[in-house]
Amino acid sequence: EVQLLESGGGLVQPGGSLRLSCAASGFTFSSYAMSWVRQAPGKGLEWVATISDSGYTTSYADSVQGRFTFSRDNSRNTLSLLMNSLRAEDTAVYYCAKGRSSGWSPSEYWGQGAQVTVSS
Amino acid sequence: DIQMTQSPSTLSASVGDRVTITCRASQSISSWLAWYQQKPGKAPKLLIYQASSLESGVPSRFSGSGSGTEFTLTISSLQPDDFATYYCQQYNSYSGTFGQGTKVEIK
Repeated sequence: EVQLLESGGGLVQPGGSLRLSCAASGFTFSSYAMSWVRQAPGKGLEWVATISDSGYTTSYADSVQGRFTFSRDNSRNTLSLLMNSLRAEDTAVYYCAKGRSSGWSPSEYWGQGAQVTVSS
Repeated sequence: DIQMTQSPSTLSASVGDRVTITCRASQSISSWLAWYQQKPGKAPKLLIYQASSLESGVPSRFSGSGSGTEFTLTISSLQPDDFATYYCQQYNSYSGTFGQGTKVEIK
């Protein structure tokens, strides 16, 4: 059974940093692209970033480019999203999600989400 | 950047109705389009990928069509479990923009 478990969410002040992690199990982690998608309170889904199966290629939404860093450790089946210079508009539930293939593909499995709140 | 526009934003329908949601891309994305269903407090569920391929386990009343810049999601006969919000997502050119969502409400 595919499982994705996010951790590291919480309350952080504007300008601060936070690292989200996602532990994956139940599939061959190194064979699939992975993504982060967020959802602000009462709003729609927003794609944040995607990383290729090898980790060599990453792509970010313009709204987080230069502030967020997405990485993976295929030896530990984990993802990491380092979020710097956080803003109030980054407040959202952050989902990690598994792609359908090694390349850019839609997300077929999702975690339960981690709440990130940016507020003073 | 590729922008995705869904219509309508809200749709009121009855059980048994045929429902169609449209998604338009600001430039051609070939068939690199997915549809998701989301219920309140839950993670999204993948319904359709590559514009018209049904994800495993998804009821056959869901179907997708289109290519290039215009796409549709059709529910052939709306069931009580289908009242939810639906999103399209393009996954072309190393990005993954979502549409703004369509909420399907009970009429």
